[in-house]
Amino acid sequence: KAGVTQTPRYLIKTRGQQVTLSCSPISGHRSVSWYQQTPGQGLQFLFEYFSETQRNKGNFPGRFSGRQFSNSRSEMNVSTLELGDSALYLCASSLSGTAGNTIYFGEGSWLTVV
Amino acid sequence: GIQVEQSPPDLILQEGANSTLRCNFSDSVNNLQWFHQNPWGQLINLFYIPSGTKQNGRLSATTVATERYSLLYISSSQTTDSGVYFCAVNQGGSEKLVFGKGTKLTVNP
Repeated sequence: KAGVTQTPRYLIKTRGQQVTLSCSPISGHRSVSWYQQTPGQGLQFLFEYFSETQRNKGNFPGRFSGRQFSNSRSEMNVSTLELGDSALYLCASSLSGTAGNTIYFGEGSWLTVV
Repeated sequence: GIQVEQSPPDLILQEGANSTLRCNFSDSVNNLQWFHQNPWGQLINLFYIPSGTKQNGRLSATTVATERYSLLYISSSQTTDSGVYFCAVNQGGSEKLVFGKGTKLTVNP
């Protein structure tokens, strides 16, 4: 079956713009999480969604937001982009959203802010 | 919050050599997973191993939960094993993963 699909894979934005990233989880998976990876901070948790509800949020400013749709697909949005938002954004999905499930990652979206 | 430390940070091997990567965590966990990040950025799940030992081909992993560490063994390494290996844990009922900083493995032919 298809894995976790993220779009777009690569994008370049200008400071001050906003960006929306999309994630389609593995079929049947209801939990979606987002992570930011940068060389300086490593992999950091952004948020977790289950059944359209945000269950957990990382320590990021309010410019970072997300949502999950009834088909479990998720989007994250970053408004008023800053140079420091340049990163690899990874989406992960799992079956039921409880600790103890294997978590699968997509290939990521590479965001460059200029 | 929980701390995850991986060692060594960098490892260079010749093809065919064996290696052991270590992950220490500061508190009890519900879940521990090992990932390999390929050159294109994707995190490939290697093992889900909150405790015990598992093997998959040339790779095996052991987690000793009571002593709060996990080991990833790579035998007969190949150039395709190169990349960054991450250990990640979570606690409680959340799926929030806390990652270590990774071990960058380079396997030379």
